[in-house]
Amino acid sequence: AQSVTQLGSHVSVSEGALVLLRCNYSSSVPPYLFWYVQYPNQGLQLLLKYTSAATLVKGINGFEAEFKKSETSFHLTKPSAHMSDAAEYFCAVSGVQEGAQKLVFGQGTRLTINP
Amino acid sequence: KAGVTQTPRYLIKTRGQQVTLSCSPISGHRSVSWYQQTPGQGLQFLFEYFSETQRNKGNFPGRFSGRQFSNSRSEMNVSTLELGDSALYLCASSSDAKRADTQYFGPGTRLTVL
Repeated sequence: AQSVTQLGSHVSVSEGALVLLRCNYSSSVPPYLFWYVQYPNQGLQLLLKYTSAATLVKGINGFEAEFKKSETSFHLTKPSAHMSDAAEYFCAVSGVQEGAQKLVFGQGTRLTINP
Repeated sequence: KAGVTQTPRYLIKTRGQQVTLSCSPISGHRSVSWYQQTPGQGLQFLFEYFSETQRNKGNFPGRFSGRQFSNSRSEMNVSTLELGDSALYLCASSSDAKRADTQYFGPGTRLTVL
């Protein structure tokens, strides 16, 4: 079965500091991994995804993530936080069934940016 | 292209009633998925439709159902509402149904059950 664990339900960083949001996954098949962001009263917006083409994936808004198979991790980073990055972030893994869409999400990490 | 749209954005119902939520996918997308988001359970997969056929279903009771029309628009229905059904219901569409395909999410419908 697929599962995702996000370490830290709340992360707080200062503006300009490094952002690191942790995600570990479990998958019975080669995984496809996604990071989404959710701003208040909005749906989910894709930040980036891993589909086995490259282990370091660059996304929108300066975010990137590195797929590490040996650690079953897909942590999200951004070198310098902006106030506009304050939101909730979700890591997700695709379901096992090819030809049927399904995402399994982690519990989310709420990111707070301190001025 | 217009994004995924969901109507209505907000709903208030009472226990025992039923509700129907609507989702219009991005033009050309054939797969529509539904998710429930609650503070306690997080984001949980409800079901997925492709070309009017349900191809995947999550662990929800039979009170939760859905359908997809020939134009790919989808509806989900919840009958005999319970207080615990209060949630944000998100719809997502993708062009195809490969595991690597990106799902694009709508803004959600916030359902409150009193």
